[in-house]
Amino acid sequence: EAQVTQNPRYLITVTGKKLTVTCSQNMNHEYMSWYRQDPGLGLRQIYYSMNVEVTDKGDVPEGYKVSRKEKRNFPLILESPSPNQTSLYFCASSLRGQQSNYGYTFGSGTRLTVV
Amino acid sequence: LAKTTQPISMDSYEGQEVNITCSHNNIATNDYITWYQQFPSQGPRFIIQGYKTKVTNEVASLFIPADRKSSTLSLPRVSLSDTAVYYCLVANNDYKLSFGAGTTVTVRA
Repeated sequence: EAQVTQNPRYLITVTGKKLTVTCSQNMNHEYMSWYRQDPGLGLRQIYYSMNVEVTDKGDVPEGYKVSRKEKRNFPLILESPSPNQTSLYFCASSLRGQQSNYGYTFGSGTRLTVV
Repeated sequence: LAKTTQPISMDSYEGQEVNITCSHNNIATNDYITWYQQFPSQGPRFIIQGYKTKVTNEVASLFIPADRKSSTLSLPRVSLSDTAVYYCLVANNDYKLSFGAGTTVTVRA
């Protein structure tokens, strides 16, 4: 089944403890992206990648890192999580991006709580 | 990225047609219009995309007038399972998606 897989689905962690949220897609998509969703703020883009080793900042990149060493994987790294990074996170991928006529495929989400 | 304006919420009943209009007055020549649907605690799902005139698929229709300053997503004969948030996006690039607040559609029995 074609899909974007995020892990974990739920995560509770403490301030300052480094964590990684994994994202993998099995559709050979070139474009991948991370979003966070907060009540009243909608979906905001954190980072995106247009291909292997090509990444760039979205609208809210502070406090996050990403890497794209392989086409299928696009992990999101929080080096020193803080409570304001408590959010619902989504990974998405697309064959050719916005104009692919199929849009982006989103993962099921990772609900992160930082205490 | 072109700014979009959509109603915050809409109510409907099962079996009715729902039309959601999105305004994008400063749409650029190369911009495409895309609609996504999102259920609570799930990722958005692509519904339909268009550039001009009318586009139809098995889920919805998208109407775009000649000036392209607005677009209307049409959901025929909605059911309770169509209750969701619907987002209108306008962009000319492949990688930066800007989601607004969306329109919360509530379908009642």
